[in-house]
Amino acid sequence: ETGVTQSPTHLIKTRGQQVTLRCSSQSGHNTVSWYQQALGQGPQFIFQYYREEENGRGNFPPRFSGLQFPNYSSELNVNALELDDSALYLCASSFEGADTQYFGPGTRLTVL
Amino acid sequence: SQQGEEDPQALSIQEGENATMNCSYKTSINNLQWYRQNSGRGLVHLILIRSNEREKHSGRLRVTLDTSKKSSSLLITASRAADTASYFCATDKGAAGNKLTFGGGTRVLVKP
Repeated sequence: ETGVTQSPTHLIKTRGQQVTLRCSSQSGHNTVSWYQQALGQGPQFIFQYYREEENGRGNFPPRFSGLQFPNYSSELNVNALELDDSALYLCASSFEGADTQYFGPGTRLTVL
Repeated sequence: SQQGEEDPQALSIQEGENATMNCSYKTSINNLQWYRQNSGRGLVHLILIRSNEREKHSGRLRVTLDTSKKSSSLLITASRAADTASYFCATDKGAAGNKLTFGGGTRVLVKP
């Protein structure tokens, strides 16, 4: 167990809808990163939050947005869902300057 | 886009045998990490090797890094059925924040 939790575990949405995924970081970690993992592929970096500010973004459109709260929990929001958004969404927490990230179990999103 | 390629894509071995998988990457890195993923769930950090290191051991794991060839290998000795999983390499360029770039993974099946 890494101490990182994510909710919900599974989610089914239809194309065009909006979704919010949640992540609770390991205690003491002030940095959270989000990754998208399509079936059969490696995770791809979406963005990172550090002390409630976005601290880097991967090659994802603006309809992917995030928030980090003062208690360092985090949300990933995706608007105007597309079929290709179907994937496992992983969050990972770490402490500033540390190399190792601790991953949550993921949220599997299916877009119909 | 993914930083690296992993080879082989899939590996099937008998319990007790060694498993070797390779990772190649494209740009200079600060460190390279290996993660394990069971059945499409969260990633578990296995080992980290820095760019100025050539070899590292952790239990039954041995990792090598050749920065001149931009490649790394992961060796699992005396494999067990519980080692059945997907294994991913991830590189960190060392820019602000630790944003990992993953390879496509090697799926390992250890038969009892």
